[in-house]
Amino acid sequence: QSVLTQPPSVSGTPGQTVTISCSGGFSNIGGNLVNWYQQFPGTAPKLLIYRYNQRPSGVPDRFSGSKSVTSASLAISGLQSEDEADYYCASWDDTLRGEVFGGGTKLTVL
Amino acid sequence: QVQLQESGPGLVKPSETLSLTCTVSGDSVTSGSFYWSWIRQPPGKGLEYIGYLSYSGSTNYNPSLRSRVAMSIDASKNQFSLRLSSLTAADTAIYYCASLTQDLWFPDWGQGTLVTVSS
Repeated sequence: QSVLTQPPSVSGTPGQTVTISCSGGFSNIGGNLVNWYQQFPGTAPKLLIYRYNQRPSGVPDRFSGSKSVTSASLAISGLQSEDEADYYCASWDDTLRGEVFGGGTKLTVL
Repeated sequence: QVQLQESGPGLVKPSETLSLTCTVSGDSVTSGSFYWSWIRQPPGKGLEYIGYLSYSGSTNYNPSLRSRVAMSIDASKNQFSLRLSSLTAADTAIYYCASLTQDLWFPDWGQGTLVTVSS
């Protein structure tokens, strides 16, 4: 059972916008930064979004992040087949005194 | 950009101690630019934070693993290491090393190394 809760799976068709939610509490998302990672099968995770809504160089602006109190969201607009991957949210937890990850969400592009 | 590469045994026996090393290029492990961290992922499952250490030697470990984990830095080789003791099958996972910023995100990751705990 992960400290941060994500839906196991989401799906969409090319061109659509999909949103992946990440629910936490005041000890993590409510008081600390939220970051998102993208992972393709058989490869290492890659930083996708940091500090809620910042994109590393090379990440398309189709990816955006937001936060509201103790939840965060990752939105992917103009969905493309190459976006099919697993997505993880992460945040520092003040109670556990460590980094916590969501359980991951598998995005399927229909 | 920092490059990281894990190395170590792919198979370890139950009750033994796992030792993994991460070789860093593109930055010095003693530069203070990053913390140095380990994360693992059981086959088909999600990511689990193991811990991090700083160039000064201060550490932070996942409370669920704290009694079995130790991390260290070898500045002469620009490497950092993970030791995990009293292994069980539940420790079977892909182990990743990663850089960690002061604001606590992981910008660069190694490719990962699969460790299987089995007799």
